[in-house]
Amino acid sequence: EAGVAQSPRYKIIEKRQSVAFWCNPISGHATLYWYQQILGQGPKLLIQFQNNGVVDDSQLPKDRFSAERLKGVDSTLKIQPAKLEDSAVYLCASSRQGDTEAFFGQGTRLTVV
Amino acid sequence: GDSVTQMEGPVTLSEEAFLTINCTYTATGYPSLFWYVQYPGEGLQLLLKATKADDKGSNKGFEATYRKETTSFHLEKGSVQVSDSAVYFCALKDGGGFKTIFGAGTRLFVKA
Repeated sequence: EAGVAQSPRYKIIEKRQSVAFWCNPISGHATLYWYQQILGQGPKLLIQFQNNGVVDDSQLPKDRFSAERLKGVDSTLKIQPAKLEDSAVYLCASSRQGDTEAFFGQGTRLTVV
Repeated sequence: GDSVTQMEGPVTLSEEAFLTINCTYTATGYPSLFWYVQYPGEGLQLLLKATKADDKGSNKGFEATYRKETTSFHLEKGSVQVSDSAVYFCALKDGGGFKTIFGAGTRLFVKA
Protein backbone atom coordinates (compact mmCIF):
# COMPACT_ATOMS: atom_id res chain seq x y z
CA GLU A 1 0.00 0.00 0.00
CA ALA A 2 1.11 3.56 -0.59
CA GLY A 3 2.65 5.28 2.40
CA VAL A 4 1.94 8.63 3.99
CA ALA A 5 2.68 11.39 1.49
CA GLN A 6 3.87 14.84 2.53
CA SER A 7 4.79 17.94 0.60
CA PRO A 8 6.88 19.90 0.23
CA ARG A 9 10.01 18.07 1.40
CA TYR A 10 11.89 21.27 2.13
CA LYS A 11 10.86 24.87 2.71
CA ILE A 12 12.84 27.98 3.55
CA ILE A 13 10.97 31.12 4.57
CA GLU A 14 11.70 34.37 6.32
CA LYS A 15 10.36 35.02 9.81
CA ARG A 16 6.87 36.50 9.90
CA GLN A 17 5.98 34.82 6.61
CA SER A 18 3.35 32.11 6.41
CA VAL A 19 3.76 28.51 5.27
CA ALA A 20 1.54 25.48 4.73
CA PHE A 21 2.28 21.78 4.70
CA TRP A 22 0.17 19.06 3.17
CA CYS A 23 -0.33 15.44 4.18
CA ASN A 24 -2.15 12.56 2.50
CA PRO A 25 -2.49 9.63 4.92
CA ILE A 26 -2.68 5.96 4.05
CA SER A 27 -6.03 5.12 2.55
CA GLY A 28 -8.53 4.02 5.18
CA HIS A 29 -6.59 5.38 8.14
CA ALA A 30 -8.97 7.30 10.36
CA THR A 31 -6.36 8.79 12.66
CA LEU A 32 -3.93 11.46 11.49
CA TYR A 33 -1.16 13.09 13.49
CA TRP A 34 1.09 16.10 13.00
CA TYR A 35 4.39 16.09 14.90
CA GLN A 36 7.13 18.69 15.21
CA GLN A 37 10.69 17.35 15.44
CA ILE A 38 13.28 19.92 16.41
CA LEU A 39 16.87 18.98 15.63
CA GLY A 40 18.25 16.66 18.31
CA GLN A 41 14.87 16.01 19.90
CA GLY A 42 12.15 13.43 19.58
CA PRO A 43 8.93 14.19 17.73
CA LYS A 44 6.37 16.21 19.69
CA LEU A 45 2.68 15.77 18.95
CA LEU A 46 1.05 18.98 17.72
CA ILE A 47 -2.41 17.76 16.81
CA GLN A 48 -4.30 14.51 16.36
CA PHE A 49 -7.41 14.00 14.23
CA GLN A 50 -9.89 11.18 14.33
CA ASN A 51 -11.58 11.37 10.93
CA ASN A 52 -12.17 15.13 10.61
CA GLY A 53 -12.49 15.85 14.33
CA VAL A 54 -9.69 17.02 16.63
CA VAL A 55 -8.80 14.55 19.41
CA ASP A 56 -5.84 16.39 20.93
CA ASP A 57 -4.37 19.80 20.12
CA SER A 58 -3.07 20.62 23.58
CA GLN A 59 0.48 21.28 22.35
CA LEU A 60 -0.44 23.24 19.24
CA PRO A 61 0.55 26.95 19.52
CA LYS A 62 -2.85 28.13 18.44
CA ASP A 63 -1.86 31.77 18.12
CA ARG A 64 0.19 30.91 15.04
CA PHE A 65 -0.45 27.28 14.09
CA SER A 66 -3.63 25.89 12.57
CA ALA A 67 -4.55 22.56 11.06
CA GLU A 68 -7.54 21.13 9.31
CA ARG A 69 -8.60 17.81 7.92
CA LEU A 70 -11.47 18.40 5.60
CA LYS A 71 -13.51 15.35 4.63
CA GLY A 72 -11.46 13.21 7.00
CA VAL A 73 -8.71 12.48 4.48
CA ASP A 74 -6.00 15.02 3.55
CA SER A 75 -4.72 17.49 6.08
CA THR A 76 -2.92 20.82 6.02
CA LEU A 77 -0.85 22.42 8.75
CA LYS A 78 -0.28 26.16 8.58
CA ILE A 79 2.04 28.51 10.42
CA GLN A 80 1.33 32.23 10.33
CA PRO A 81 3.46 34.13 11.16
CA ALA A 82 6.54 31.93 11.41
CA LYS A 83 9.22 32.41 14.04
CA LEU A 84 12.83 31.33 14.02
CA GLU A 85 12.08 28.66 16.64
CA ASP A 86 9.62 27.00 14.26
CA SER A 87 12.56 25.62 12.28
CA ALA A 88 12.04 21.85 12.49
CA VAL A 89 10.90 18.81 10.60
CA TYR A 90 7.11 18.48 10.50
CA LEU A 91 6.02 14.88 10.41
CA CYS A 92 2.64 13.55 9.44
CA ALA A 93 1.55 10.08 10.52
CA SER A 94 -1.59 7.99 10.25
CA SER A 95 -3.03 4.87 11.82
CA ARG A 96 -6.13 2.71 11.65
CA GLN A 97 -8.74 3.57 14.24
CA GLY A 98 -7.86 1.86 17.50
CA ASP A 99 -4.52 0.57 16.20
CA THR A 100 -1.34 1.19 18.14
CA GLU A 101 1.00 1.47 15.15
CA ALA A 102 1.42 4.77 13.36
CA PHE A 103 2.96 5.10 9.88
CA PHE A 104 5.05 8.18 9.22
CA GLY A 105 5.70 10.26 6.15
CA GLN A 106 9.18 11.52 5.26
CA GLY A 107 8.47 14.91 6.75
CA THR A 108 8.84 18.53 5.67
CA ARG A 109 12.01 20.28 6.77
CA LEU A 110 11.23 23.92 7.52
CA THR A 111 13.96 26.50 7.92
CA VAL A 112 12.95 29.95 9.12
CA VAL A 113 15.59 32.63 8.52
CA GLY B 1 2.69 13.41 32.82
CA ASP B 2 3.91 10.50 30.76
CA SER B 3 7.52 10.64 29.58
CA VAL B 4 10.28 8.60 27.96
CA THR B 5 13.98 8.82 28.76
CA GLN B 6 16.60 7.16 26.60
CA MET B 7 20.35 7.12 26.69
CA GLU B 8 22.13 9.96 25.02
CA GLY B 9 24.13 9.38 21.91
CA PRO B 10 25.87 9.15 19.74
CA VAL B 11 26.73 5.51 20.23
CA THR B 12 29.62 4.32 18.07
CA LEU B 13 30.22 0.58 17.63
CA SER B 14 32.25 -1.65 15.39
CA GLU B 15 30.46 -4.09 13.11
CA GLU B 16 29.35 -7.30 14.90
CA ALA B 17 29.43 -5.62 18.32
CA PHE B 18 26.59 -6.03 20.83
CA LEU B 19 24.17 -3.14 21.07
CA THR B 20 22.12 -1.92 24.02
CA ILE B 21 20.18 1.33 24.00
CA ASN B 22 18.53 2.01 27.33
CA CYS B 23 14.98 3.33 27.60
CA THR B 24 12.90 3.99 30.70
CA TYR B 25 9.43 5.43 30.92
CA THR B 26 7.00 7.09 33.29
CA ALA B 27 3.33 6.47 32.68
CA THR B 28 0.04 6.05 34.44
CA GLY B 29 -1.91 3.01 33.47
CA TYR B 30 -0.61 0.43 31.03
CA PRO B 31 1.06 1.96 27.99
CA SER B 32 2.19 0.24 24.82
CA LEU B 33 5.91 0.60 24.13
CA PHE B 34 7.68 1.04 20.82
CA TRP B 35 11.04 1.44 19.18
CA TYR B 36 11.10 3.49 15.99
CA VAL B 37 14.09 3.86 13.68
CA GLN B 38 14.95 6.77 11.40
CA TYR B 39 17.48 6.04 8.68
CA PRO B 40 19.28 8.98 7.06
CA GLY B 41 16.93 10.93 4.81
CA GLU B 42 13.93 8.77 5.62
CA GLY B 43 10.87 8.97 7.83
CA LEU B 44 10.30 7.16 11.10
CA GLN B 45 9.62 3.44 10.83
CA LEU B 46 8.27 1.17 13.51
CA LEU B 47 11.00 -1.30 14.47
CA LEU B 48 9.21 -3.29 17.17
CA LYS B 49 6.54 -2.99 19.82
CA ALA B 50 5.20 -4.59 23.00
CA THR B 51 1.73 -4.01 24.34
CA LYS B 52 1.84 -5.58 27.80
CA ALA B 53 4.25 -6.45 30.59
CA ASP B 54 6.80 -9.20 29.85
CA ASP B 55 6.06 -9.08 26.12
CA LYS B 56 9.13 -9.20 23.91
CA GLY B 57 9.10 -7.33 20.64
CA SER B 58 11.55 -8.39 17.94
CA ASN B 59 12.39 -7.49 14.36
CA LYS B 60 15.48 -7.57 12.13
CA GLY B 61 17.57 -9.07 14.95
CA PHE B 62 16.56 -6.35 17.42
CA GLU B 63 14.75 -7.23 20.64
CA ALA B 64 13.21 -5.36 23.56
CA THR B 65 11.29 -6.68 26.57
CA TYR B 66 8.55 -4.71 28.36
CA ARG B 67 9.67 -4.65 32.01
CA LYS B 68 6.97 -3.16 34.18
CA GLU B 69 8.89 -3.65 37.43
CA THR B 70 11.78 -1.50 36.19
CA THR B 71 9.67 0.61 33.77
CA SER B 72 12.15 -0.16 31.03
CA PHE B 73 12.18 -1.21 27.38
CA HIS B 74 15.86 -1.52 26.44
CA LEU B 75 16.74 -2.21 22.80
CA GLU B 76 19.32 -4.93 22.10
CA LYS B 77 20.96 -6.54 19.11
CA GLY B 78 23.58 -9.23 19.27
CA SER B 79 25.60 -8.23 16.21
CA VAL B 80 25.17 -4.83 14.58
CA GLN B 81 25.82 -4.06 10.93
CA VAL B 82 26.86 -0.86 9.18
CA SER B 83 23.33 -0.69 7.77
CA ASP B 84 21.95 -0.35 11.32
CA SER B 85 23.39 3.17 11.53
CA ALA B 86 20.38 5.36 12.25
CA VAL B 87 18.57 7.26 15.00
CA TYR B 88 16.51 5.09 17.34
CA PHE B 89 13.52 6.46 19.24
CA CYS B 90 11.82 4.84 22.19
CA ALA B 91 8.16 5.74 22.52
CA LEU B 92 5.05 4.96 24.50
CA LYS B 93 1.38 5.20 23.73
CA ASP B 94 -0.82 5.89 26.70
CA GLY B 95 -3.43 3.46 27.92
CA GLY B 96 -6.17 5.38 26.20
CA GLY B 97 -4.36 4.83 22.93
CA PHE B 98 -4.46 8.47 21.96
CA LYS B 99 -1.03 10.01 22.29
CA THR B 100 2.41 8.65 21.37
CA ILE B 101 5.25 10.22 23.36
CA PHE B 102 8.80 9.94 22.05
CA GLY B 103 12.18 9.99 23.69
CA ALA B 104 14.87 12.31 22.38
CA GLY B 105 16.45 9.66 20.17
CA THR B 106 19.82 7.91 20.19
CA ARG B 107 22.06 8.13 17.16
CA LEU B 108 23.95 4.92 16.37
CA PHE B 109 27.05 4.82 14.18
CA VAL B 110 28.38 1.41 13.16
CA LYS B 111 31.90 1.29 11.72
CA ALA B 112 33.04 -1.35 9.27
